[in-house]
Amino acid sequence: AAGVIQSPRHLIKEKRETATLKCYPIPRHDTVYWYQQGPGQDPQFLISFYEKMQSDKGSIPDRFSAQQFSDYHSELNMSSLELGDSALYFCASILRGLAGPTDTQYFGPGTRLTVL
Amino acid sequence: GNSVTQMEGPVTLSEEAFLTINCTYTATGYPSLFWYVQYPGEGLQLLLKATKADDKGSNKGFEATYRKETTSFHLEKGSVQVSDSAVYFCALSPYGNKLVFGAGTILRVKS
Repeated sequence: AAGVIQSPRHLIKEKRETATLKCYPIPRHDTVYWYQQGPGQDPQFLISFYEKMQSDKGSIPDRFSAQQFSDYHSELNMSSLELGDSALYFCASILRGLAGPTDTQYFGPGTRLTVL
Repeated sequence: GNSVTQMEGPVTLSEEAFLTINCTYTATGYPSLFWYVQYPGEGLQLLLKATKADDKGSNKGFEATYRKETTSFHLEKGSVQVSDSAVYFCALSPYGNKLVFGAGTILRVKS
C-alpha cells in the first residue's frame, strides 16, 4: 500500500538559510499534519491542513510557514534557520472527508534537517 | 488540556522477559489512544490503537487496554525479542485532531 512520502530525507543548511520540506499524503487522504522531533524529544505538533485550509496550529515559529496544495501535498517553508531548528520533521496524513475523520494518522519517514 | 505521561526509561530486559510500559493520560472528552514505535534512525510506526473505553488494541504480540477509570493505556508484551528494541511513544488524539505524545520510553532487549 502507498505510504506518506517526504522529501528530501536529509537536508543540511547553514544558519540564516531557508529550507522547504515536502509531504505527499497517502492517496485520498485530505488532511496533513506536521510535527517536529528534536534530538531525544517527543514529536511536537506544528500545524495541520484540511482541504487546503489551515485547520490547527501548534508551536510553529513565525519564521515557518506551510501550505497545502490542490493535490493535497503540503510544503513546510522554513526561513532564517537557527541551530535549534535541527530536528526530524514528520508529516502525517488522515482522511477527514464528509463522513468525519478517520482516527489514525499515518506517518512519513521524516526529513532530518541539520542546521550548521 | 491534553497530556500523556509515560514511564521513564530506558527499560532494559532480557530476551523473553515480560514487558510493561506504563502510560496515563489527561484529556477532555474521549480521545483515541495510540502506541507508536520508532526504531533507530527510522520514522514513527503505528503499533496499536484503541478508540473507546475497554477497547483492547493488539499487534505483533503487544497489547494495551483503554482504561477510562484509571485513564491509562499500558503497553504489554509477554515475551520480548531483541528486535523489539526501540523507542515507544504513547499518544492521544481527540477525534481526528493532532496527536499529543508522551516523552517516549527507550526499550533495550539483551540476548
